[in-house]
Amino acid sequence: DQQVKQNSPSLSVQEGRISILNCDYTNSMFDYFLWYKKYPAEGPTFLISISSIKDKNEDGRFTVFLNKSAKHLSLHIVPSQPGDSAVYFCAAGGSVGRLYFGRGTQLTVWP
Amino acid sequence: DAEITQSPRHKITETGRQVTLACHQTWNHNNMFWYRQDLGHGLRLIHYSYGVQDTNKGEVSDGYSVSRSNTEDLPLTLESAASSQTSVYFCASSVDRDYGYTFGSGTRLTVV
Repeated sequence: DQQVKQNSPSLSVQEGRISILNCDYTNSMFDYFLWYKKYPAEGPTFLISISSIKDKNEDGRFTVFLNKSAKHLSLHIVPSQPGDSAVYFCAAGGSVGRLYFGRGTQLTVWP
Repeated sequence: DAEITQSPRHKITETGRQVTLACHQTWNHNNMFWYRQDLGHGLRLIHYSYGVQDTNKGEVSDGYSVSRSNTEDLPLTLESAASSQTSVYFCASSVDRDYGYTFGSGTRLTVV
């Protein structure tokens, strides 16, 4: 049973607009959440994270929001750029011994 | 600079053959992980290790094995390759067990 779910396999956004990628989780033991970005023919790379003691973390154009009561997090990219086109994986961990990954969302940013 | 390297980058093998994928890291991380990435399934954990002589099964461990004889290496062995094991394989390492993973560039394996 998937403990981390990304229900949208793909998202298409125009350059300059906001991209919102969503992630849901089921395990209440998770207390640390991460987003990884993956380009074709490369390994995933860490993008941004958030601890469960916060509800928002910002790094430049990237902001992650955490809603613990809904067991939901989202990644906002503003403004979106063509170079942001990649697969984004949501991951969760903390006191569970390993990271659990979602299935990924393919983001396409078009000019 | 510290790094994590996977070899080979591409491999074609025949059904039934034994195949070993290499993963070597110079971060001195205790924790190492093997994932496979397939369309529609994302990253699925095959095996992982928390240190020398420690190995654990992940969600899709059938048909795979690992051994950890030193800190730097976690080779992944397919005992008898099957077409269902055609995939892209990623190795990762970390200081902490459940955050801060650093991934290798992947090995694309094709079983024919």
